[in-house]
Amino acid sequence: GESVGLHLPTLSVQEGDNSIINCAYSNSASDYFIWYKQESGKGPQFIIDIRSNMDKRQGQRVTVLLNKTVKHLSLQIAATQPGDSAVYFCAERDPGGFKTIFGAGTRLFVKA
Amino acid sequence: DSGVTQTPKHLITATGQRVTLRCSPRSGDLSVYWYQQSLDQGLQFLIQYYNGEERAKGNILERFSAQQFPDLHSELNLSSLELGDSALYFCASSEGRLSYNEQFFGPGTRLTVL
Repeated sequence: GESVGLHLPTLSVQEGDNSIINCAYSNSASDYFIWYKQESGKGPQFIIDIRSNMDKRQGQRVTVLLNKTVKHLSLQIAATQPGDSAVYFCAERDPGGFKTIFGAGTRLFVKA
Repeated sequence: DSGVTQTPKHLITATGQRVTLRCSPRSGDLSVYWYQQSLDQGLQFLIQYYNGEERAKGNILERFSAQQFPDLHSELNLSSLELGDSALYFCASSEGRLSYNEQFFGPGTRLTVL
């Protein structure tokens, strides 16, 4: 599959460990945030979202934390599996709700 | 499989040429979004259509244009191509007109301009 960004920050974790991927967003007025996973050769896939009136949201094996004070998002993946290896993007939606602004992405490697 | 289809999967062309990328949204989705993903720019929002009408514009060059047809499929037209236009182009669709709705991405079209 194609490479998605040769110069991305990379996180390497051992299978079974927890992963934390961080993201700084740009607009303090953004009110909705999403994490996407992009596997090689595929389009981004929705993982989890959070609105700005929340600071934590949990899904299946994933948790998103939002710190509006410092404009920071994190994605926590519990018990990381080889299938979690991918590029992860955070995205923010502008207050009008029409535009999605993606972060640069982080490449996650899971070592078996 | 997201349900969003894009054709062609790969496209190789020369500078100065014009190409058309096609997207069919998921059944029932009225919004279509186009994104460009290049190595040095990441994922950039280009344009959104909702039920045939343009809803939002992002970093779309004047050489690029798009439209959404009555059957809701969309085409992205890229003209006077330059080497820097080489990238992955993704289409996404969602049910509603606001991008708060979950977007489902297609597999992308890889454009190579030689």
